[in-house]
Amino acid sequence: EVQILETGGGLVKPGGSLRLSCATSGFNFNDYFMNWVRQAPGKGLEWVAQIRNKNYNYATYYAESLEGRVTISRDDSKSSVYLQVSSLRAEDTAIYYCTRLGNNRFDYWGQGVMVTVSS
Amino acid sequence: DIQMTQSPSLLSASVGDRVTLSCKASQNIYKYLNWYQQKLGEAPKLLIYYTNSLQTGIPSRFSGSGSGTDYTLTISSLQPEDVATYFCQQYNSWYTFGAGTKLELK
Repeated sequence: EVQILETGGGLVKPGGSLRLSCATSGFNFNDYFMNWVRQAPGKGLEWVAQIRNKNYNYATYYAESLEGRVTISRDDSKSSVYLQVSSLRAEDTAIYYCTRLGNNRFDYWGQGVMVTVSS
Repeated sequence: DIQMTQSPSLLSASVGDRVTLSCKASQNIYKYLNWYQQKLGEAPKLLIYYTNSLQTGIPSRFSGSGSGTDYTLTISSLQPEDVATYFCQQYNSWYTFGAGTKLELK
């Protein structure tokens, strides 16, 4: 059974930073591109970042709206992916989901982790 | 960026109704379109991929169609457990989601 579990959320002051973690199991992590998607309270979904697998040299891609403030990384030995977000703003307040990209679809999602940016 | 517009934003229907949700892309996305269901307090769940392919485990009352810029998700006979918000998502150029259609029971 595929399992995805995000951790690391919480309350952060504006200008602060946060590192989110995503632990996975139940599939061959090395084969997949992993992504972060976020959802502001009561709003829609926004793709944030992608990291490809070793076959694609762990290439990383980011949404333009966040580029320069986010860094995605992975540790294949731990089947885990991470998202570092810096210079946090109120509009970064959202649930951050870790999701697997399988054949061009986000086929498995974690339960999400809440990030609140407030003074 | 490709913009995705969903309509209506809110839909009220009765159990057993045939329900149609629309999604329009700002340019041709060549059927590179997925649909997700999100129930209150839960993560999104993949329903349909590549316009009309049903994800494993999804009931056959869900179906998708469309081409070019216009796409549709249809529920043939609405069930109480289908109350949720539905999002379309294009992957022709990176990934963008529509704002969602909230489906409620009348």
